[in-house]
Amino acid sequence: EVQLVQSGAEVKKPGEPLKISCKGSEYSFTSYWIGWVRQMPGKGLEWMGFIYPRDSHTRYSPSFQGQVTISADNSINTAYLQWSTLKASDTAMYYCARQAAIGGTFDYWGQGTLVTVSS
Amino acid sequence: QSALTQPASVSGSPGQSITIPCTGTSSDVGAYNYVSWYQQHPGKAPKFMIYDVTNRPSGVSNRFSGSKSGNTASLTISGLQAEDEADYYCSSYTSSSTYIFGTGTKVTVL
Repeated sequence: EVQLVQSGAEVKKPGEPLKISCKGSEYSFTSYWIGWVRQMPGKGLEWMGFIYPRDSHTRYSPSFQGQVTISADNSINTAYLQWSTLKASDTAMYYCARQAAIGGTFDYWGQGTLVTVSS
Repeated sequence: QSALTQPASVSGSPGQSITIPCTGTSSDVGAYNYVSWYQQHPGKAPKFMIYDVTNRPSGVSNRFSGSKSGNTASLTISGLQAEDEADYYCSSYTSSSTYIFGTGTKVTVL
């Protein structure tokens, strides 16, 4: 069965860097987009961007362009979401999801990584 | 790029049918048949329920159905059950080659 397993919860201070991961298994990792979705406490889902691991092509939501970086390492079937400088407002649950090449349906989701940024 | 508009809450009694609208623009919902729907129970990851406006993946109950008219897509849940109580989100591809989610709807089974 297709699985996306994300790295564990993080507690960071404002200004610190962070990189969280999402490891795919039981499917061809390079054949599907991997998207990242933010859910702030008590709020809705927000699409941040995605990566096509085969050629590392990325696309970002205008709301997140320049704020985060999405990357992938095909040798270990893992996608990443990283921040160079965290802010308190980055506190949220972050999900990775496999996206279909046509239509972009988010068909499989990771369990989520809770990021807490607090001084 | 504003979120697609959904009502904050919809409720119904067991056995009834409810419909959740998802309103976008001619640059997203109205432009493409790439609308999908997701169910999220508290503390859980979302689960996809409908893709490409009307298609239901295997394993999803046929009580869930999708449709679209103009810039508004809809999710209908028929024969409402207690387990359907959750948050529901729509999503659409956009003319900017990005994706956008709806504001989310909390479904309550009375």
